[in-house]
Amino acid sequence: DTAVSQTPKYLVTQMGNDKSIKCEQNLGHDTMYWYKQDSKKFLKIMFSYNNKELIINETVPNRFSPKSPDKAHLNLHINSLELGDSAVYFCASSQDLNQPQHFGDGTRLSIL
Amino acid sequence: QQQVKQSPQSLIVQKGGISIINCAYENTAFDYFPWYQQFPGKGPALLIAIRPDVSEKKEGRFTISFNKSAKQFSLHIMDSQPGDSATYFCAARATGNQFYFGTGTSLTVIP
Repeated sequence: DTAVSQTPKYLVTQMGNDKSIKCEQNLGHDTMYWYKQDSKKFLKIMFSYNNKELIINETVPNRFSPKSPDKAHLNLHINSLELGDSAVYFCASSQDLNQPQHFGDGTRLSIL
Repeated sequence: QQQVKQSPQSLIVQKGGISIINCAYENTAFDYFPWYQQFPGKGPALLIAIRPDVSEKKEGRFTISFNKSAKQFSLHIMDSQPGDSATYFCAARATGNQFYFGTGTSLTVIP
């Protein structure tokens, strides 16, 4: 009965590869997000989707692209992975943009 | 530019003591201030939140104190327990806009 689930939990890959992280929420929320948490635990929002429309994009490189097949899913695609992309990526959802988020348990991405 | 400034970066407290984490902001449009708790290997989880029309909110051992004029708010954990050891994030939001998170405080409660 996990509210926000993301897969995989760990992702180890080579520089230059393309990878995807999946996220699903079963809370019936209208808004979903992707956050990046660096090694210093700083949380930075990358994207948010409200009713399948991108509403925030915080100067993230265009190698990162969110894709939402439906309201319950927001996947993150990353092309041409770089060493600096190593981080923990969190998916989150909220009832709307004004409500606090519920976070998944994160995907730890390590670039070799 | 860091919208929400959080201190200290790390905190060590004896069991039974009071843990205090402080946050400050500049944007007077912020109207909602949540605190999140994050355990290792887990995502942040909402702990307690406050709106600027009240000066204090208490839930169990956790209390938020809010000073609107100083644009500061703080989290107090009374009777701190080893199970409270985690990273705590403050955040702030203006209606219709994104949440801004503080830089986090790593709390260790020593038995």
